[in-house]
Amino acid sequence: SAVISQKPSRDICQRGTSLTIQCQVDSQVTMMFWYRQQPGQSLTLIATANQGSEATYESGFVIDKFPISRPNLTFSTLTVSNMSPEDSSIYLCSADNNYGYTFGSGTRLTVV
Amino acid sequence: GEDVEQSLFLSVREGDSSVINCTYTDSSSTYLYWYKQEPGAGLQLLTYIFSNMDMKQDQRLTVLLNKKDKHLSLRIADTQTGDSAIYFCAEGSRNTGKLIFGQGTTLQVKP
Repeated sequence: SAVISQKPSRDICQRGTSLTIQCQVDSQVTMMFWYRQQPGQSLTLIATANQGSEATYESGFVIDKFPISRPNLTFSTLTVSNMSPEDSSIYLCSADNNYGYTFGSGTRLTVV
Repeated sequence: GEDVEQSLFLSVREGDSSVINCTYTDSSSTYLYWYKQEPGAGLQLLTYIFSNMDMKQDQRLTVLLNKKDKHLSLRIADTQTGDSAIYFCAEGSRNTGKLIFGQGTTLQVKP
């Protein structure tokens, strides 16, 4: 199954700044996904990252706040823009493989 | 809309069996998944079951699916302290790739 390397694993950021999270998959995958896990909560899908086209965002998430890139079939980035303390969460990327959906190890973001 | 429900907490003794339950609402789901999340870690895919199956067994793990009641369970035999984690069930369609997760069940294994 696909293996995903996600970085950074954690960061503490000042409010108003932006952070870009990267995910690298060890094989080509059609679909990649970005999820948010707020403290003590379950996972919520932010968007589906499509190669060669704009990402598809879920209700409540917008491109200006969470711009996504998908330059090829093995890589994607998520930027959390103009951060506020409410953005403190774990952000996880995921990729489709033949046996289900593999997740990266997550980025634990704290905004101060 | 789509919804997945799980009980929040389960405590068992080491060596006992654990059963974690999940209900879902989307009858069009094609796959149902169980993920494990250890503290500070990402999600590990434990197992999945296709919606036209009733049961799937994989070593200590047994998944039971009742499509009529939209009920999914994960049984862990001979539970060990290393099984202590949060377990998420999720439903999804292979066409969209979108997963809907339950709230997660915290499994506590006492020695």
